[in-house]
Amino acid sequence: DGGITQSPKYLFRKEGQNVTLSCEQNLNHDAMYWYRQDPGQGLRLIYYSQIVNDFQKGDIAEGYSVSREKKESFPLTVTSAQKNPTAFYLCASSLTGSSYNSPLHFGNGTRLTVT
Amino acid sequence: GENVGLHLPTLSVQEGDNSIINCAYSNSASDYFIWYKQESGKGPQFIIDIRSNMDKRQGQRVTVLLNKTVKHLSLQIAATQPGDSAVYFCAENRDTGAGGTSYGKLTFGQGTILTVHP
Repeated sequence: DGGITQSPKYLFRKEGQNVTLSCEQNLNHDAMYWYRQDPGQGLRLIYYSQIVNDFQKGDIAEGYSVSREKKESFPLTVTSAQKNPTAFYLCASSLTGSSYNSPLHFGNGTRLTVT
Repeated sequence: GENVGLHLPTLSVQEGDNSIINCAYSNSASDYFIWYKQESGKGPQFIIDIRSNMDKRQGQRVTVLLNKTVKHLSLQIAATQPGDSAVYFCAENRDTGAGGTSYGKLTFGQGTILTVHP
């Protein structure tokens, strides 16, 4: 089955540690995205990549970093500089980064808890 | 701020009733709108979309209505079922650069909790 796989589903880290969240897609989509979701709020865009080896900051990129070395993979690193890292992180992809007929497909998220 | 939206709008309906979920958007230049459904512990699922050159679009059991005059979007679900219980988000594209919609510029609403009682 084609889809987006995020791992792990739950992640616990101590404050001050960097942590990397995995996102893999086998949909052959060009564009990939990372969103953050906090309780009772909508999704906020962290980073997005419209093509391999290229990515742009979203609305809340501070304290995060990404890489896009392969089309299938878009890992997100939450660094110690992120002041409120505890959240539900969602990865998404779309066929292209600019098309009305290319809706976002989401993974099932990683819940990160930092104590 | 961080605390805005902690108390999401809620809608409770009986199984078999029709549901209407509303969304107000702020940017009159937004040209593309999407509805997503999110079940607990899962990622959002695409339901239906609409471009600003339309005022109505129908899918299977769902209809999206767009009123650009008052910047209002609604999702109608016919014959609501318990499996429809979820949080529903609207999203708008606020950045319409040359060449069409940029998904990197989608802005999501806070969501509405729909509860369907058997």
